[in-house]
Amino acid sequence: EVQLLESGGGLAQPGGSLRLSCAASGFPFSSFAMTWIRQAPGKGLEWVSAISSGSSNTYFADSVKGRFTISRDNSKNMLYLQINSLRAEDAAVYYCARVVLGYYVDSWGQGTLVAVSS
Amino acid sequence: EIVMTQSAATLSVSPGERATLSCRASQSVSSNLAWYQQKPGQAPRLLIYDASTRATGIPARFSGSGSGTEFTLTISSLQSEDFAVYYCQQYNDWLLFTFGPGTKVDIK
Repeated sequence: EVQLLESGGGLAQPGGSLRLSCAASGFPFSSFAMTWIRQAPGKGLEWVSAISSGSSNTYFADSVKGRFTISRDNSKNMLYLQINSLRAEDAAVYYCARVVLGYYVDSWGQGTLVAVSS
Repeated sequence: EIVMTQSAATLSVSPGERATLSCRASQSVSSNLAWYQQKPGQAPRLLIYDASTRATGIPARFSGSGSGTEFTLTISSLQSEDFAVYYCQQYNDWLLFTFGPGTKVDIK
């Protein structure tokens, strides 16, 4: 069974930083691209970033480009999202998700909440 | 950037009735489209990929159609557990995704 467990969310100040983690299990992690998707309270889904299976390719939404970094450690089955220069509009539940063949998302974690407030 | 729109923000349907949800892409995405269902407090769940292929475990009452820029998700006979928000998502470019704003299906 595919399991994705996010952690690292919490309350941070504007301009601050957070590092989100996603622990994957139940599938060959190193064979799959992965992605982060967020959802602000009461809002829709917004794609944030994606990384290829071997980390050679990374992609970001324009809204986070230059502030967010995505990485993975295939030896530990871990996915990360480094969030810098936090803004109020970054407040959301952040989901870690598995990407099939580099295209659609077939499995999601339960999400970790990022709150931004001074 | 490909922009996705969903024609109805809310769709009110009676249990047992048919629900038809629409999704449009600002440019052709071929059949590279997925549909997700999200219930309150839960992560989204994949329903349909490649525009018309049901994901594992998804009941046959869910069906998808369309290609290019126009897509439809049909729920043939709404069950109580189907009242939720539905999102379309395009994946025409590798690892670049865009979601539609969502359609909430609620009880009429």
